[in-house]
Amino acid sequence: AQSVAQPEDQVNVAEGNPLTVKCTYSVSGNPYLFWYVQYPNRGLQFLLKYITGDNLVKGSYGFEAEFNKSQTSFHLKKPSALVSDSALYFCAVREFWDMGRRALTFGSGTRLQVQP
Amino acid sequence: SQTIHQWPATLVQPVGSPLSLECTVEGTSNPNLYWYRQAAGRGLQLLFYSVGIGQISSEVPQNLSASRPQDRQFILSSKKLLLSDSGFYLCAWSQGAKNQPQHFGDGTRLSIL
Repeated sequence: AQSVAQPEDQVNVAEGNPLTVKCTYSVSGNPYLFWYVQYPNRGLQFLLKYITGDNLVKGSYGFEAEFNKSQTSFHLKKPSALVSDSALYFCAVREFWDMGRRALTFGSGTRLQVQP
Repeated sequence: SQTIHQWPATLVQPVGSPLSLECTVEGTSNPNLYWYRQAAGRGLQLLFYSVGIGQISSEVPQNLSASRPQDRQFILSSKKLLLSDSGFYLCAWSQGAKNQPQHFGDGTRLSIL
């Protein structure tokens, strides 16, 4: 069975500093990995995905994520945080060999707070 | 471009009343459709998914049901709401390929009194 862990409930960072939101996953085979952001009372917005190829994936709003197969991690990063990045972030995984369920497995979410 | 619509945005219902939440997708055909519930602004629980008209898979036993009467319409229902049905309900769609992301509606906040 596939699973995702986001070990930090909350991450605090000062505006202008780099940010990292951590994600580790567990699957039987190769993973498809996704990051989403959620603002209050809104749905989840897709940020980026890793399918195959380059381990560094670039996405929306200046975010990027690094896939590390040996550490089974897919951490979200941004070189310079903005106050407007404050939101709830979700990591999600789907296993390459998942033929039936056709749904993503989501982590529990990490709240990012960027202080001015 | 594709869009997804959910309504209503908020709903307050008494215990024991029925429920119908609707979700429609535009700009694509034969999407996979999903209903999630999010409790306390945190993790998402998959309730139902559908890969085609009339095809519904349930993830967890519960007081809710889902239907897909048309290709791009997904409905979440209940005959008698419980207090525990309160939450934020999200509809999502994706293309059939496994490497495609899901795209979410703006959700319905359901409060049961």
